[in-house]
Amino acid sequence: DIQMTQSPSTLSASVGDKVTITCRASQSISSWLAWYQQKPGKAPKLLIYKSSSLESGVPSRFSGGGSGTEFTLTISSLQPDDFATYYCQQYTSYSRTFGQGTKVEI
Amino acid sequence: EVQVVESGGGLVQPGESLRLSCAASGFTFSTYAMSWVRQAPGKGLEWVSGVSGNGGSTSYVDSVKGRFTISRDNSRNTLYLQMNSLRAEDTAIYYCAKEDGSSLRDYFDYWGQGTLVTVSS
Repeated sequence: DIQMTQSPSTLSASVGDKVTITCRASQSISSWLAWYQQKPGKAPKLLIYKSSSLESGVPSRFSGGGSGTEFTLTISSLQPDDFATYYCQQYTSYSRTFGQGTKVEI
Repeated sequence: EVQVVESGGGLVQPGESLRLSCAASGFTFSTYAMSWVRQAPGKGLEWVSGVSGNGGSTSYVDSVKGRFTISRDNSRNTLYLQMNSLRAEDTAIYYCAKEDGSSLRDYFDYWGQGTLVTVSS
């Protein structure tokens, strides 16, 4: 199976900060990567697919990039609603795998 | 509006069985693959199983192969997960998730609110 590794595991930031989360794949996954946001007690929400395509309704302060084995999720100006846990997920194989998550906290 | 609603979770003893259901609406159910994704308490997300739109193809994470069976009834717009020989490590919230395509190699664009499965004696 393809292993996905996110860094950092926890990120402390303030409102207005620019935040970047990194996701690395154990082998090339081209651009078949998605990002999700999850708040406590809630289901995950799709933010980004195909590495850099923004899901409809997601604020433009979220952006994604990368290809092959290294990917990033950037929040250009952190808002109070953005404090959550973020997961990357590869979908190049039948056995989809997620990163371990990055918690963005104050 | 797309909606997926899980049901069937509960407390069971190790070795017992449970069947989860997921009722879908707001989209052409038979066109899309569907998956189950779980989250153990305080842990990350783990994809468990997926089924193609016509039900002809399925896939499983290694840890549930031979114990769990995914299926769907397109006439009822419902997804199922039959879970046998349950273990303590299967304890988790189980989410039903719609895939963006039919290939079983897609991301998940809609998620239910989840149903909790607890395996404990």
